[in-house]
Amino acid sequence: TQLLEQSPQFLSIQEGENLTVYCNSSSVFSSLQWYRQEPGEGPVLLVTVVTGGEVKKLKRLTFQFGDARKDSSLHITAAQPGDTGLYLCAGSSGYSTLTFGKGTMLLVSP
Amino acid sequence: NAGVTQTPKFQVLKTGQSMTLQCAQDMNHEYMSWYRQDPGMGLRLIHYSVGAGITDQGEVPNGYNVSRSTTEDFPLRLLSAAPSQTSVYFCASSRRGGTGANVLTFGAGSRLTVL
Repeated sequence: TQLLEQSPQFLSIQEGENLTVYCNSSSVFSSLQWYRQEPGEGPVLLVTVVTGGEVKKLKRLTFQFGDARKDSSLHITAAQPGDTGLYLCAGSSGYSTLTFGKGTMLLVSP
Repeated sequence: NAGVTQTPKFQVLKTGQSMTLQCAQDMNHEYMSWYRQDPGMGLRLIHYSVGAGITDQGEVPNGYNVSRSTTEDFPLRLLSAAPSQTSVYFCASSRRGGTGANVLTFGAGSRLTVL
């Protein structure tokens, strides 16, 4: 069974602060995805990273895939209250299934 | 487009009752799946299907049945509900991304409470 460990589990910060969320595994994934989930809703895809060492930016969010394709990070610059939510990483080793981490709950206070 | 539609949104059952959670997608996706989400446990795969007539078990299949008679629909059946099945259930479907990654579109969830 492939496992994805996310850290921290919970993060409470003030508006304007920077933060990084980590997603680590001992397994190699062909791709890794990040989703954000808001209360009462299903997760929504933010980004997919495929190549080892790949960096993708989505406005104030920066995603990086580790060189060995076993880990990933999400960095948010100048966090805003609208960034509040549960951030989930998910690894793919093929077409059929995704393995999800347990998530990082982010709370950004004004 | 509606995307992935789940019904009902909320349901309360008594132990031993049966019910079906409905899931429908209008994106012509081949792949559909059911997850359950519990506090501190993340999303765990129950069953999935790679096409009509084909289903397979995920990480936590016990107590659940599925069938896939059409591309659009993928119902999840609880034959005899137990309190341990109290959870939020998500249906998801996928398109194959340009790189082959399995990108999921989720429904809004069905919150089930078993008393």
